[in-house]
Amino acid sequence: DAGVTQTPRHEVAEKGQTIILKCEPVSGHNDLFWYRQTKIQGLELLSYFRSKSLMEDGGAFKDRFKAEMLNSSFSTLKIQPTEPKDSAVYLCASRPDWGVEQYFGPGTRLTVL
Amino acid sequence: GDSVTQTEGQVTVSESKSLIINCTYSTTSIAYPNLFWYVRYPGEGLQLLLKVITAGQKGSSRGFEATYNKETTSFHLQKASVQESDSAVYYCALGHTGGADRLTFGKGTQLIIQP
Repeated sequence: DAGVTQTPRHEVAEKGQTIILKCEPVSGHNDLFWYRQTKIQGLELLSYFRSKSLMEDGGAFKDRFKAEMLNSSFSTLKIQPTEPKDSAVYLCASRPDWGVEQYFGPGTRLTVL
Repeated sequence: GDSVTQTEGQVTVSESKSLIINCTYSTTSIAYPNLFWYVRYPGEGLQLLLKVITAGQKGSSRGFEATYNKETTSFHLQKASVQESDSAVYYCALGHTGGADRLTFGKGTQLIIQP
């Protein structure tokens, strides 16, 4: 089985741009998570979906961050407009129903100039 | 809510020496805590190192061990003899039985092994 895939692996954006990051979960996994990873804050949850329904939207990230699950095998994270402080690695993870372990993708490294 | 506190920043250990990375957790959830160590090797994605879902049990993988201590709310990661290939960033994480929720991660500990 393929693991979690994320594209692109690297993204460079100008301040104010809109960027869309993509994630494909492990086939059959119904839970999907988006995280932001920085050296200072570590991993912060952005969004959590269960069977395509949004369960958590990461509070502080609501205004410019929007995650969607277009179908059970594809999710996007839109950041609009981008700011330099958004520079980080964005991780997607999936989990089987009622499982405990999350499976992570390789991440997208975003740099906002 | 949940929180996880682990040895912060960077830890440097000489090859073949022992290692401990501290992790403590707190939770207000009534659901049973599950504990995890994840690792990110250079150039690779975050992956599960070990997990323990029952208090008092020990998990082990690749020579690393961690015991889930409910009394001290701790889940310290230990290894008796580290190797250069253990250089990575280690994250302690807390979840709950039933799985219907997020994982809460510590801020990560970068382990550097000196030859």
